[in-house]
Amino acid sequence: GEQVEQLPSILRVQERSSASINCTYENSASNYFPWYKQEPGENPKLIIDIRSNMERKQIQGLIVLLDKKAKRFSLHITDTQPADSAMYFCAASGGSGGSNYKLTFGKGTLLTVTP
Amino acid sequence: EAAVTQSPRNKVAVTGGKVTLSCNQTNNHNNMYWYRQDTGHGLRLIHYSYGAGSTEKGDIPDGYKASRPSQENFSLILELATPSQTSVYFCASGDLGIQDTQYFGPGTRLLVL
Repeated sequence: GEQVEQLPSILRVQERSSASINCTYENSASNYFPWYKQEPGENPKLIIDIRSNMERKQIQGLIVLLDKKAKRFSLHITDTQPADSAMYFCAASGGSGGSNYKLTFGKGTLLTVTP
Repeated sequence: EAAVTQSPRNKVAVTGGKVTLSCNQTNNHNNMYWYRQDTGHGLRLIHYSYGAGSTEKGDIPDGYKASRPSQENFSLILELATPSQTSVYFCASGDLGIQDTQYFGPGTRLLVL
C-alpha cells in the first residue's frame, strides 16, 4: 500500500514568518493530496488540497506545491499567526483498486507559532 | 461541509467487555472509514466501507469488526475490549472522486480499564 512520510514532526516559527511542511509518497499512481489541520481536542479539518493535474494551489496564505516526478508535496503557510498553531497532516490517495478509495496519512507536524 | 456525527463522544469500558461505536453521515457518501489516533502514530485506518453491506479491512483491523447496515451508518465493534484499544476514534465519510474529499466526525474518546 501507500506510505507517506511527513517532516518535520515538530516546527516552531515566529509570528509573521513562513512555515513549511514536506511530505513524500511512494505510489506514483497517487493523484489526490489533501492537508488537514487539527486543533487540540478537535477533529481534523480539511484546509487545502491538490490533485495531480496541478503543480501549485493557493488559498489565501496557504500554498501547496506538488512535484510528481519527485513524489513530493508540501504545504507553505505564509505570514503565520498564533492561530495557525496546530497539528497538520498530509495525506495521499489514488492508484489502483482499493487504494483509490482511501487516504494514507503522514504522522503529523506540530506547528507552534510564537508571538 | 459534510455532516458526520459519532456516538458516544466518550466511553469507559472494562477489559473483555463489548464496545460499539456508531457513526452517521447525512451526505449520501458511498465511502465511510474508521480511524484511531494515538500520539506518535497519527491517523491509522481500521476498517472502511464502499457502501451498505460492505466492510473492508484497513491497515490495523485486528481486534475490531465493522458493520455498514445502511448508506448512513457505519459501526465499529470491539468484541473483547483491551487496554491497548484505549484511543481516540474518528469516523469519516467521503467520495474521493473529482470533486469531493473526506470529512471527519468529532471523535470518540475510549478508555478501556
